[in-house]
Parts: sequence; structure tokens; C-alpha cells
Amino acid sequence: GQQVMQIPQYQHVQEGEDFTTYCNSSTTLSNIQWYKQRPGGHPVFLIQLVKSGEVKKQKRLTFQFGEAKKNSSLHITATQTTDVGTYFCAGPSRGSTLGRLYFGRGTQLTVWP
Amino acid sequence: DAGVTQSPTHLIKTRGQQVTLRCSPKSGHDTVSWYQQALGQGPQFIFQYYEEEERQRGNFPDRFSGHQFPNYSSELNVNALLLGDSALYLCASRRRTGSKTNYGYTFGSGTRLTVV
Repeated sequence: GQQVMQIPQYQHVQEGEDFTTYCNSSTTLSNIQWYKQRPGGHPVFLIQLVKSGEVKKQKRLTFQFGEAKKNSSLHITATQTTDVGTYFCAGPSRGSTLGRLYFGRGTQLTVWP
Repeated sequence: DAGVTQSPTHLIKTRGQQVTLRCSPKSGHDTVSWYQQALGQGPQFIFQYYEEEERQRGNFPDRFSGHQFPNYSSELNVNALLLGDSALYLCASRRRTGSKTNYGYTFGSGTRLTVV
């Protein structure tokens, strides 16, 4: 079945260092979404990428969607303690833009002050 | 404020019992999805409701059932609870109509279910 994989599972960085998480899908995606879940919290939508090769920035966060629309990455520049949490990528069912989302296992980011 | 309201926040049930979880979607949203999130895992899709009908279903047994009401709120029912059903149950909503604008789901804070 359709799968979304993320690496690494855990990342520990010192405040100010950069962080990157990678996401790969077993199928071509119509879009890729990124969510952040703080410890003890719920997933919060960050961004959606739709176009092949798309790059979007949100302050220190840079999101990329691969040319083949099967992979994506999230890069955080100069991490801060407020970046702590688990970052998930998620893609819809094959051939769909709505409905079911397949989530990766997430990358848990810890930031030391 | 998540915009999506779930109740209860925590629940402890005994194996074999039945449970009902409730969700009120964000204002303006008409589509509700339910997810199960085990500790250290990503959310797993249970099913989605739109126009009071189940539209999609994940790989969950028939013990998991749901309902959507005319006001778009939804319930998740789980019968014959197993220890493995212990998890965080998340409700997520979005607006389906005009969906070509493409935006993500709004999640509720979840119901933490513990089966003992």
C-alpha cells in the first residue's frame, strides 16, 4: 500500500544549528503537507506544496517538493528552543487531493539551549 | 484555540467496553476525519465523513464506526475495546467545498484513550 517515510526519526541539535528532515513517498503525490506537533499537543498545519520543484519559505523554515513529486524536505535555519516538536509530512491518497492523508512517522526535534 | 473541539480529553475504559468520542469541527468546515495516533507514531487514518456519509475508510476493523450529524459534528464509536486501542484519537476538519484552494486540516487536541 501507499507509504510515506521520514528520516531521521530523531534529531538533537544545539540552539543555532540547522535541522533538516526528509520525506519520501512510495507514490507520486498531488501535494505534500507538513505538520508540527509539540510535545503533548496535536498536529498543526504548517504548509502545503503542490507544484513539482516548489520551494516555500516561512521565516527560518524552508520547504521543498521534489521534481518527481515523491519527496520533500523541511529545513530549519538557526534552530530555536521554540522549534522543539515532531515534524510530520503527509500526502493524500494516490490520485486524490482530498480525503485520507498518509502520515510519515515524523522527526522528533530536540533543541538544547 | 485549535478551532476543532473534542471531548472528552481523557478516558479510561476496561477491555471489552464500548466508547464514544465526539468532535465539533472548526466553524465553516464540513468534512471531518478521524485519526488514531499511537505513542511515537504518525496519525493513522480511520475514516472521513462528508455530508453525513462515510467517504473513505482506513485499515481499521468494523469495531470502529462513526457518524456525522447535520451540523457537521461527528462521533467515533469503538466497540469491544482491546488493550491495543489505547491511543490518542484525533479529529481533523477542513472545508471541502471550494477545495481547489488546497489547504491543510485543522486538528483538535484529541482524546487520550486508555484501555485497561
